Amino acid sequence: GQQLNQSPQSMFIQEGEDVSMNCTSSSIFNTWLWYKQDPGEGPVLLIALYKAGELTSNGRLTAQFGITRKDSFLNISASIPSDVGIYFCAGQDAGNNRKLIWGLGTSLAVNP
Amino acid sequence: GAGVSQSPRYKVAKRGQDVALRCDPISGHVSLFWYQQALGQGPEFLTYFQNEAQLDKSGLPSDRFFAERPEGSVSTLKIQRTQQEDSAVYLCASSLEGRHGEQYFGPGTRLTVT
Repeated sequence: GQQLNQSPQSMFIQEGEDVSMNCTSSSIFNTWLWYKQDPGEGPVLLIALYKAGELTSNGRLTAQFGITRKDSFLNISASIPSDVGIYFCAGQDAGNNRKLIWGLGTSLAVNP
Repeated sequence: GAGVSQSPRYKVAKRGQDVALRCDPISGHVSLFWYQQALGQGPEFLTYFQNEAQLDKSGLPSDRFFAERPEGSVSTLKIQRTQQEDSAVYLCASSLEGRHGEQYFGPGTRLTVT
């Protein structure tokens, strides 16, 4: 099935460093979302973006909805060990405002 | 609890067996989604309900997959004559009407077909 291009695939960083990951699509989306998934659990919503150009923060997390509506990025500032996990971007297709199309995930490891 | 619950959490089936996976959405959430997540992949959409109506089943991989939500709350995903390629985590999510992107997920059911 269709999936978004998410990069990087994995990151290994030192505690306190900032992290950036992004997602691109060949299709326009109405909504971009960022989720985090821990092993053995379902994804947990971090940030939802609804308008092109929108920049939204949730604590140390900041995400932006690209102005072309085909991309988004997520930044994590001052990483801590509990940031470890897999981060997924997801987009809601402009032609189908129900199902989500997902990236392959960015696996983040934080060295204390 | 107030979140989405799924049962069983783990299921091992022999090839050819039928399985039924249950999802209890968040109370008041009219929209319910099923996703399939293979190892190392993102979730892939299977089907969507609004209340009891199945509005999109375009992601169901074959006619061996069937989902229902007869009273608009609990949903069951049934897989008939399971095959090894059906092995995956099956995730259920629910959302409020009008906020379909903000989907709240259950912990998933890990299905292993031997």
